[in-house]
Amino acid sequence: KAGVTQTPRYLIKTRGQQVTLSCSPISGHRSVSWYQQTPGQGLQFLFEYFSETQRNKGNFPGRFSGRQFSNSRSEMNVSTLELGDSALYLCASSLASNRAQETQYFGPGTRLLVL
Amino acid sequence: GQSLEQPSEVTAVEGAIVQINCTYQTSGFYGLSWYQQHDGGAPTFLSYNALDGLEETGRFSSFLSRSDSYGYLLLQELQMKDSASYFCAVRAITGGGNKLTFGTGTQLKVEL
Repeated sequence: KAGVTQTPRYLIKTRGQQVTLSCSPISGHRSVSWYQQTPGQGLQFLFEYFSETQRNKGNFPGRFSGRQFSNSRSEMNVSTLELGDSALYLCASSLASNRAQETQYFGPGTRLLVL
Repeated sequence: GQSLEQPSEVTAVEGAIVQINCTYQTSGFYGLSWYQQHDGGAPTFLSYNALDGLEETGRFSSFLSRSDSYGYLLLQELQMKDSASYFCAVRAITGGGNKLTFGTGTQLKVEL
């Protein structure tokens, strides 16, 4: 099975611009979660999507949004970029089988640099 | 909300045993996971504990005490390739779904 894929892998934007990142989960996985990773803050949960619905949301401003399509692929969007948005954005997929144990499989991430 | 604490850095020699501790505060606790991340790589799943006790997977073991809100990852027969960051993560039920809250990570350096 192919793993989680994310595009693009690297991105450079300037302040005020917006960006859209894409994530394709492992085939058969219905849940997609997004995380922001920075050296100072570690891995921080952004949101989780399941069956095209946002099921959970972290403590990020409204500039961060996402969506999930019927094929479970997901996109996240950041509008009005700030310098502090520079980070590695990781997507993780899981089966969402409602079992207590649920392994998340991470993609390689998109490294965003805001200048 | 949820919060986790783990040491920022641990150094050990090849062949040794190292323990990485994690304490957490959360409501609606489901279980404690451990992930490994090499520099420039994606986090990969190592283990999961939902019940008290020790889970063993090869050279890696993970322990959980729900009453103490504490867990640890034990790495035996350390190898150079084990040099990486290790994250504990709490899975908690929130508002109909679930989310994973990660600790800030422990950087393990394995030396000769």
